[in-house]
Amino acid sequence: DVKVTQSSRYLVKRTGEKVFLECVQDMDHENMFWYRQDPGLGLRLIYFSYDVKMKEKGDIPEGYSVSREKKERFSLILESASTNQTSMYLCASSSGLAAFFGQGTRLTVV
Amino acid sequence: GESVGLHLPTLSVQEGDNSIINCAYSNSASDYFIWYKQESGKGPQFIIDIRSNMDKRQGQRVTVLLNKTVKHLSLQIAATQPGDSAVYFCAENRGGGSYIPTFGRGTSLIVHP
Repeated sequence: DVKVTQSSRYLVKRTGEKVFLECVQDMDHENMFWYRQDPGLGLRLIYFSYDVKMKEKGDIPEGYSVSREKKERFSLILESASTNQTSMYLCASSSGLAAFFGQGTRLTVV
Repeated sequence: GESVGLHLPTLSVQEGDNSIINCAYSNSASDYFIWYKQESGKGPQFIIDIRSNMDKRQGQRVTVLLNKTVKHLSLQIAATQPGDSAVYFCAENRGGGSYIPTFGRGTSLIVHP
């Protein structure tokens, strides 16, 4: 089975902090994604990557950056956390068809 | 703009009934569709997929129907069980060789025992 692991289930950070969310997949997938999920808005794509060191902006990249130094790992970075970034963050990977998701990280910025 | 959306935000059914969850899409170039189930506190879980060259695909207790003429997708769950209670999302890959899934807002399925 595909396994996508996010480093934290719950995080609480202060406004202005730099926040790192880590994601690792074990299926040698080329593609990795970061989404955020908010009530009533579904899943919105923040960034994605189709190869090591490659990244592309999704629909809502503002306030975020990403890093993919190794194929199995895709990190989401909040450069200066703000309260409107309080959300559920979901990482996924795929080989080109269905994406498989991690368990999510619920981030609260206070 | 182009989007994937759902007709009903909440669907309540009795245990043992069949459930039908609907999804409309507007991107005629989309060539691959997926249904996900998301239980409370968990990430979305793959249920079933269908390519645009098919109109029906069956899994265990689930069937996905695709009507490209009206750009409509549905998920049918037979003999719905309490464990089926979750939010269901349809997603489409944006077509033209794109592998990026775009999600609808989701439908909450509530199964009453």
